[in-house]
Amino acid sequence: EAGVVQSPRYKIIEKKQPVAFWCNPISGHNTLYWYLQNLGQGPELLIRYENEEAVDDSQLPKDRFSAERLKGVDSTLKIQPAELGDSAVYLCASGTGTDTNTGELFFGEGSRLTVL
Amino acid sequence: QKEVEQNSGPLSVPEGAIASLNCTYSDRGSQSFFWYRQYSGKSPELIMSIYSNGDKEDGRFTAQLNKASQYVSLLIRDSQPSDSATYLCAPYDSWGKLQFGAGTQVVVTP
Repeated sequence: EAGVVQSPRYKIIEKKQPVAFWCNPISGHNTLYWYLQNLGQGPELLIRYENEEAVDDSQLPKDRFSAERLKGVDSTLKIQPAELGDSAVYLCASGTGTDTNTGELFFGEGSRLTVL
Repeated sequence: QKEVEQNSGPLSVPEGAIASLNCTYSDRGSQSFFWYRQYSGKSPELIMSIYSNGDKEDGRFTAQLNKASQYVSLLIRDSQPSDSATYLCAPYDSWGKLQFGAGTQVVVTP
């Protein structure tokens, strides 16, 4: 069974440029999460989807970040314009919908963003 | 005050010894607690879950929970070099959000 797939794995951009990350969750998983992880820190939730509905986006900086999950499968996370402080690893995770009980999220390999 | 506190380490453990990792959390409404392992440059993976006060054993791992003290721990017995990783404590808070600590880096020395 394929895991959570993210792309690109690495991205280097100059500040003020836009960037987009793509995530394909495990087939059949209806919950999808985008996390941000800085070096030496734990993942921080940006947005959580249940199917195509964003049920928690309270931590998403909406002035520059946007996300969508059309048809309740793939998702994209966009930053426009990027700032130096956005340099981090962006992790996508998916769950079966019972993950609020099991706590089991399946993470992709992440997209490492460097903003110059 | 951070919602989830862990010692950052690194925690150096001789091979074969017991590694003891501690975690405290601020949300008294948290009911479910999880430990994730993250190898360097890799993504986190779930290794243990605990829901009730007391101990829960799974192979060489034992999770311990004390809700009154808002404390959860992870013991790794017979530590192996393959256990060298960062261990993230993650309670579910009252709002149904999985909160990750900053993690404790464990280094198992041969």
